[in-house]
Amino acid sequence: ETGVTQTPRHLVMGMTNKKSLKCEQHLGHNAMYWYKQSAKKPLELMFVYNFKEQTENNSVPSRFSPECPNSSHLFLHLHTLQPEDSALYLCASSQGGLAGAYNEQFFGPGTRLTVL
Amino acid sequence: EDKVVQSPLSLVVHEGDTVTLNCSYEVTNFRSLLWYKQEKKAPTFLFMLTSSGIEKKSGRLSSILDKKELFSILNITATQTGDSAVYLCAVSIIQGAQKLVFGQGTRLTINP
Repeated sequence: ETGVTQTPRHLVMGMTNKKSLKCEQHLGHNAMYWYKQSAKKPLELMFVYNFKEQTENNSVPSRFSPECPNSSHLFLHLHTLQPEDSALYLCASSQGGLAGAYNEQFFGPGTRLTVL
Repeated sequence: EDKVVQSPLSLVVHEGDTVTLNCSYEVTNFRSLLWYKQEKKAPTFLFMLTSSGIEKKSGRLSSILDKKELFSILNITATQTGDSAVYLCAVSIIQGAQKLVFGQGTRLTINP
């Protein structure tokens, strides 16, 4: 399998549930990202992992918890979410380090999350 | 605060028309500007621009960057219904690690 994959593609959860989103990249990249895309708002960067180290937490509430066990896998653990957290969650990967600034990010298909 | 603004937000044209999408930015630590096309889910990469005045071209699509005036345009000539999508402009900055700051996107609809 090539590119960036995400599972599940769709997720409906209640506010008290715990769930996890998974992202896997097969591109040999060293940086991975989580974005949130809400209706009528720009893509918002949530977290950045560079060589498995978290280098960015863009003021994301603690009910979102990322995990990056290796350069190919990225998780987003969800706990006690709110209805306003309903959105498309996109994962991306790119070259790591400063070289990444001159290389495009490749996106996965996203997980459409609905919080009831 | 880093900011990327796209215009128009929405555009409807007929097949065969030429369109120009705009992107202006105000960021620190600029490294590059990227254009993506988002049809259903995953944004797909179109262009990366790092130098002013050098046009990047791919088929009917082309883009250019003006680093003095802080904007970029994306041109699509002889549009087709398959060009209907949201076009995203993003600026790559360095803030510890690479970050992409996105604009709101332009929703382009091509009518037959």
